[in-house]
Amino acid sequence: KAGVTQTPRYLIKTRGQQVTLSCSPISGHRSVSWYQQTPGQGLQFLFEYFSETQRNKGNFPGRFSGRQFSNSRSEMNVSTLELGDSALYLCASSLGGRTPTYGYTFGSGTRLTVV
Amino acid sequence: DAKTTQPNSMESNEEEPVHLPCNHSTISGTDYIHWYRQLPSQGPEYVIHGLTSNVNNRMASLAIAEDRKSSTLILHRATLRDAAVYYCILREGLTGANNLFFGTGTRLTVIP
Repeated sequence: KAGVTQTPRYLIKTRGQQVTLSCSPISGHRSVSWYQQTPGQGLQFLFEYFSETQRNKGNFPGRFSGRQFSNSRSEMNVSTLELGDSALYLCASSLGGRTPTYGYTFGSGTRLTVV
Repeated sequence: DAKTTQPNSMESNEEEPVHLPCNHSTISGTDYIHWYRQLPSQGPEYVIHGLTSNVNNRMASLAIAEDRKSSTLILHRATLRDAAVYYCILREGLTGANNLFFGTGTRLTVIP
């Protein structure tokens, strides 16, 4: 079966611009989570969406937002880009049950560079 | 989030078993122990999880201490493809909080 698909793979943006990243989860998975990975901070949780609702949120400023569509595809948006937003953004999908007896499947990520 | 402690790095010879330790002394009774690994230039990959009993799957085995304050991920025969950063993560089992706290992990080097 197809894995988690993230587009685009690479992106270069200028400070002050905004960017939208896309994630298509595994078919049947209803939960999509987003993570930011940087050399200094490692992997950090951004937010999770389940059935089009944000179910959990990490400690990031309001410039980071997301949404989920009825087909479970998700987008995340970063407005007013800063140099520190340069990172690998990873999307993970799962069935979404409350009991953690399942694993997450991650995409290969979108590498965002802010110049 | 309950925290885990792992060695920063480990080395193993190819085709030998590898035991990756994880300490989680503040684990609660409802926390599940999950392991992920991240190969170079890829997203993390789920490896295995457990609650109280030892677990085996096609990728690895998970040995959980009787008091649950530590666990060990066992790769039975390390291959070059197993070179990755391995993360031990606790997932809370009551409220359904679905965020993963990755920590710094253990970087495994496999020597040919």
